[in-house]
Amino acid sequence: AQKVTQAQTEISVVEKEDVTLDCVYETRDTTYYLFWYKQPPSGELVFLIRRNSFDEQNEISGRYSWNFQKSTSSFNFTITASQVVDSAVYFCALSESSGTASKLTFGTGTRLQVTL
Amino acid sequence: DVKVTQSSRYLVKRTGEKVFLECVQDMDHENMFWYRQDPGLGLRLIYFSYDVKMKEKGDIPEGYSVSREKKERFSLILESASTNQTSMYLCASSLDRGNNQPQHFGDGTRLSIL
Repeated sequence: AQKVTQAQTEISVVEKEDVTLDCVYETRDTTYYLFWYKQPPSGELVFLIRRNSFDEQNEISGRYSWNFQKSTSSFNFTITASQVVDSAVYFCALSESSGTASKLTFGTGTRLQVTL
Repeated sequence: DVKVTQSSRYLVKRTGEKVFLECVQDMDHENMFWYRQDPGLGLRLIYFSYDVKMKEKGDIPEGYSVSREKKERFSLILESASTNQTSMYLCASSLDRGNNQPQHFGDGTRLSIL
């Protein structure tokens, strides 16, 4: 069975600090995909990134960066120079392929609070 | 942009009532999903559908059913609502034939069962 662990329940930082959100996963599949979603207070989950298991290159998008390490089964997310608008719950998810549709297994989420 | 619309943001119902939650997507996606979100538990999959009239159970289907009569609409049904079904319900859709495309989510329905 697949599992995603986000050990950090809640993180508080002051604006402009860097912050890393941890994600550790378990799967028996050799091919899989990992995702990060952001859920702001409005409630809608916003897709941030998808990464497949064969691509271990780190990715940077503006202030966001992702570090995928297959050896430690981790897919960590770093926000550089955090801003108040980054305050949200962040979910890491693992995709399981089936013959019909790909299903996501979500972690329990990390609530990030950025204050002035 | 993909738009997934859930019919209600907030809903209050009574124990034993039959409850319908509606979800509509406008991007011709094959797959649609219903999740519930509870504090400390993340999102858990209730049911999903990969085509019209097709459905599969997720991780927690007990007490729920679904209906997909048209491609764009996916309904979640609580046959006889109970207080432990008080939760945030999220609908999602994806354009995916098993190739792991991102799911796109609606705003959620916060359902309270009294």
